[in-house]
Amino acid sequence: GQQLNQSPQSMFIQEGEDVSMNCTSSSIFNTWLWYKQDPGEGPVLLIALYKAGELTSNGRLTAQFGITRKDSFLNISASIPSDVGIYFCAGQLETDKLIFGTGTRLQVFP
Amino acid sequence: KAGVTQTPRYLIKTRGQQVTLSCSPISGHRSVSWYQQTPGQGLQFLFEYFSETQRNKGNFPGRFSGRQFSNSRSEMNVSTLELGDSALYLCASSRDRGMSTEAFFGQGTRLTVV
Repeated sequence: GQQLNQSPQSMFIQEGEDVSMNCTSSSIFNTWLWYKQDPGEGPVLLIALYKAGELTSNGRLTAQFGITRKDSFLNISASIPSDVGIYFCAGQLETDKLIFGTGTRLQVFP
Repeated sequence: KAGVTQTPRYLIKTRGQQVTLSCSPISGHRSVSWYQQTPGQGLQFLFEYFSETQRNKGNFPGRFSGRQFSNSRSEMNVSTLELGDSALYLCASSRDRGMSTEAFFGQGTRLTVV
């Protein structure tokens, strides 16, 4: 199936550190989304981006929609233990299906 | 406001059997999408239903099917189960089509095929 390239695959960081992850695609999208999934739960939407170049923040989270419309990144500042989980990017072209990234597993150590 | 409800949460089936999973969307949401999540393939789109009609379909064999009822509840069915069908099946609902930014996921049904 179709997937977006997401990196890194996993991260092990200390509490308080900043985190950066990104997603790239060979196709362009009109919407980029970032989700977090906790064990045993469905993904929860964190940030939505609607146009190229857009930079959006949600608390300690900041995400950007790449100028080429083929990439996006997510930054988490001053990580805390509850940031642990799997982060997914997803792209959508109009009413088409969501295409998800391969996920970044984040582990935060105190 | 109740969230997206998926039943059952866990299911164990044997190869060759069939299974039906249920998804009750958030009240007022008319679009329901289904995804399969596996460690190897990640989250893969199965299909989307809106107003009782399948509007979009992913690249899955015909053994995977679904339907939506007039109250927007949706079911998906997998026939002739294979070991590789073991996965977390997630559904997401939104008020309308293309409103992925307002789509909410259920907790999923974890299907194990033995």
